[in-house]
Amino acid sequence: QSALTQPASVSGSPGQSITISCTGASSDIGTYDYVSWYQQHPGKAPKLLIYDVSSRPSGISSRFSGSKSGNTASLTLSGLQAEDEADYYCISYTSTSTLVFGTGTKVT
Amino acid sequence: EVQLLESGGGLVQPGGSLRLSCTASGFTFGSYAMNWVRQAPGEGLEWVATVSGPGGSTYYADSVKGRFTISRDNSKNTVFLQMNSLRDEDSALYYCAKTYSSSWYKGHWDYWGQGTLVTVSS
Repeated sequence: QSALTQPASVSGSPGQSITISCTGASSDIGTYDYVSWYQQHPGKAPKLLIYDVSSRPSGISSRFSGSKSGNTASLTLSGLQAEDEADYYCISYTSTSTLVFGTGTKVT
Repeated sequence: EVQLLESGGGLVQPGGSLRLSCTASGFTFGSYAMNWVRQAPGEGLEWVATVSGPGGSTYYADSVKGRFTISRDNSKNTVFLQMNSLRDEDSALYYCAKTYSSSWYKGHWDYWGQGTLVTVSS
């Protein structure tokens, strides 16, 4: 199972909105609404931001939102803040009963 | 407060074995699937394995299937990862993570440990 494809980097200015894409295939994102997103700051464990494509766990800011169209899932960060600078990863369930991460995106 | 504490990492030669442990506290351990996720230095995240709450079902990434075994002891709130036939490419920081809900396949993990480092080298 190949990793899902994410842009290597995305940049934005404070207050702006940015979107990170996560492209898979019909065997993963295209079929299942089991896409999650994680944020990881350097030297820290990942943090769950979004699950089931667009649901937020309690305590996660509404500035983070998720969506999906076809084989591509997206994470949107609204009202960009300095502390949003981090690495972001998507993950999806696959038709072979495995989980596959995206390649990761560095947000600056 | 939920806590996950990994241990067992270290330096091992190619072809060798290592057993990782993750001891949990602060939640009803047996009610949640538990997972191992790894990250090679400077690289991205890779899901390794998942074990169901009762322990009867296990799932593995293709890269470790047949070499790694995940298990758990609910009486001790501990999940294990037995790693055999280790390769250079298995070198990574290994995280233990708790599944957010009862659905292991959603890949949603709400609590993570700080990781234990495994280095495979001669």
